[in-house]
This record gives sequence, structure tokens and C-alpha cells, in this order.
Amino acid sequence: DTGVSQDPRHKITKRGQNVTFRCDPISEHNRLYWYRQTLGQGPEFLTYFQNEAQLEKSRLLSDRFSAERPKGSFSTLEIQRTEQGDSAMYLCASSPSPSLSSYNEQFFGPGTRLTVL
Amino acid sequence: GDSVTQMEGPVTLSEEAFLTINCTYTATGYPSLFWYVQYPGEGLQLLLKATKADDKGSNKGFEATYRKETTSFHLEKGSVQVSDSAVYFCALSPYNFNKFYFGSGTKLNVKP
Repeated sequence: DTGVSQDPRHKITKRGQNVTFRCDPISEHNRLYWYRQTLGQGPEFLTYFQNEAQLEKSRLLSDRFSAERPKGSFSTLEIQRTEQGDSAMYLCASSPSPSLSSYNEQFFGPGTRLTVL
Repeated sequence: GDSVTQMEGPVTLSEEAFLTINCTYTATGYPSLFWYVQYPGEGLQLLLKATKADDKGSNKGFEATYRKETTSFHLEKGSVQVSDSAVYFCALSPYNFNKFYFGSGTKLNVKP
């Protein structure tokens, strides 16, 4: 069990560019979450997948944001036409299936820090 | 909508002091409640949880009781250590765990 991994760990981009982040959950965790965290704030929920299905998406999420989990394993988060306000830490978390005792626990990755210049 | 409010920090305590970090919530139905901790340079990790009213979560000397009547889940520890210095986040999730709501975090500094 290697934990949740995220790639890249840091990304610097210019305003208007597109960026894509990857999250690899703990193997066999069928639930996956994306969050955004800005300095001094708690994680803000963005979206949730159960297997390959995207079941929840925050109403705060702009249309410039899209996430996929095509085979129910890794997930990608893409931000199109980045803005300076998108600068934040993007966190991924995974959870096991409801049949396990730890079903309501999230295991977080180290995050991807995005800086938009 | 659902939300979590926790006391602002930073909180600075001397070693062996008693710790309370307040957390209150607003939610429909019967959410589960959590405390997460983020140590310097590390990722978020679950500290403790409670899934129904009057449940007490505990771990590493920390405790929190799910109080439905006061919509609270305050974090307590009887004697803090320097190694407890971290940022603590209160969180809730509705019954289906399709999303989690986090508070803004409380930074704890423990001095020797």
C-alpha cells in the first residue's frame, strides 16, 4: 500500500494556459475526491467519483474545470484557461468501499501546488 | 447548506496544558463528523471520527464527542505535547459520504 500519489507536486503556468493533474488512489479504493485548498483555509470540495462515475460536483466549480476517472482507477483534473485565482493546492483523497470498516475515512495525497502567473 | 465553523487560531499553549478547539456544524440529516490533522510538511490525516449522536471519537489522547443538541464536535486533549503542534481541521460528511465539508483550520503551537 503506497498511499495516494499525485503528479506533479508543483506546477507553475501562465494565465490562459491549460493544466492537468493526476491522482492515483490507494489500490482497490473505489471512491475518489478532489479538493482545492488555499492558504489559511480548509479543503474545499470539488468533485467525487465512485468507480468511474462522477456522482457529485460542487456548484462552485467553474466550467473551466473538468475531472475524469475513465477506468475507475486513476483520475485527472484539468483546468482550462487558468486564472490567477486558480492558484491553490489541489488535493486528492480516496476511500474504500462501504463494505469495509474504514469506508468513511479519506486518505489524502500530498497535493499539487498550482501557481498561475 | 452544510457547513463547519471552527475557532480561529493560532492557539498557543505550553506543554502539558489542556486543549480545546471548538467546532460547530450546520447540516441536514445525520452527518458523520471528523477531525483531521496536518503536521508541518505533511498531508492531511484522519485524527478521529464519530458517526452518530453521543459517539465519542478518540485517538492519540485526543477526544471529541458528537453533540447533536448543540451541533458541536469540540476537540480536547488533557495534556498537549510539542509534537502536537499542527493545523487541525473539523469536517463533516452527509450520510452517503459523497462530499466532505471542512472548517478553515486551527493552528496549534505548543511551546516547551
